[in-house]
Amino acid sequence: EDKVVQSPLSLVVHEGDTVTLNCSYEVTNFRSLLWYKQEKKAPTFLFMLTSSGIEKKSGRLSSILDKKELFSILNITATQTGDSAVYLCALGSGGGADGLTFGKGTHLIIQP
Amino acid sequence: DGGITQSPKYLFRKEGQNVTLSCEQNLNHDAMYWYRQDPGQGLRLIYYSQIVNDFQKGDIAEGYSVSREKKESFPLTVTSAQKNPTAFYLCASSGTSGGSSTDTQYFGPGTRLTVL
Repeated sequence: EDKVVQSPLSLVVHEGDTVTLNCSYEVTNFRSLLWYKQEKKAPTFLFMLTSSGIEKKSGRLSSILDKKELFSILNITATQTGDSAVYLCALGSGGGADGLTFGKGTHLIIQP
Repeated sequence: DGGITQSPKYLFRKEGQNVTLSCEQNLNHDAMYWYRQDPGQGLRLIYYSQIVNDFQKGDIAEGYSVSREKKESFPLTVTSAQKNPTAFYLCASSGTSGGSSTDTQYFGPGTRLTVL
């Protein structure tokens, strides 16, 4: 059974700090690892990492995938209060379009 | 605008009643999904459909049913057999890239179901 473990489960930092969110996984047939941001309702897509794309960057957010050690990190630099959210890590596996396996998320709070 | 819509936003149900949650997408995506989210938990897969008139059970399908009669629509029925239905329900869809299905799922705004 595929498994996703995120850490920490919650994190409080001050505006301007850099944060690193962790995601480790166990999988039988790896296809992709995705990061989502959930503020109140629908998760919004951030990154998808695959065997052919193990590093992604968008503005202050970046993510890497280590397929050997089975983990990924999401890095946010120069944090802002608008970064406060739950960050979800999800695993895609199997033959395709089978649904994702999600971790419990990291609840990130940015204090002014 | 392309996107996924869910209705209603909030739903209250009495014990013993079946209720149906609506999910519609105009993204022309083949695959659609239903997830359940409980407080402090990640999303858990209820059902998914890769193509019209076909669907598969996810990890927690007991007490739920779905249909996929049209590409745009994937309604979820929460039956009285679901013992703890109070939760936040999210619908998602995904398309194809280069002829292959992609894991990037896009989510609707969700329906919060409360059993009274």
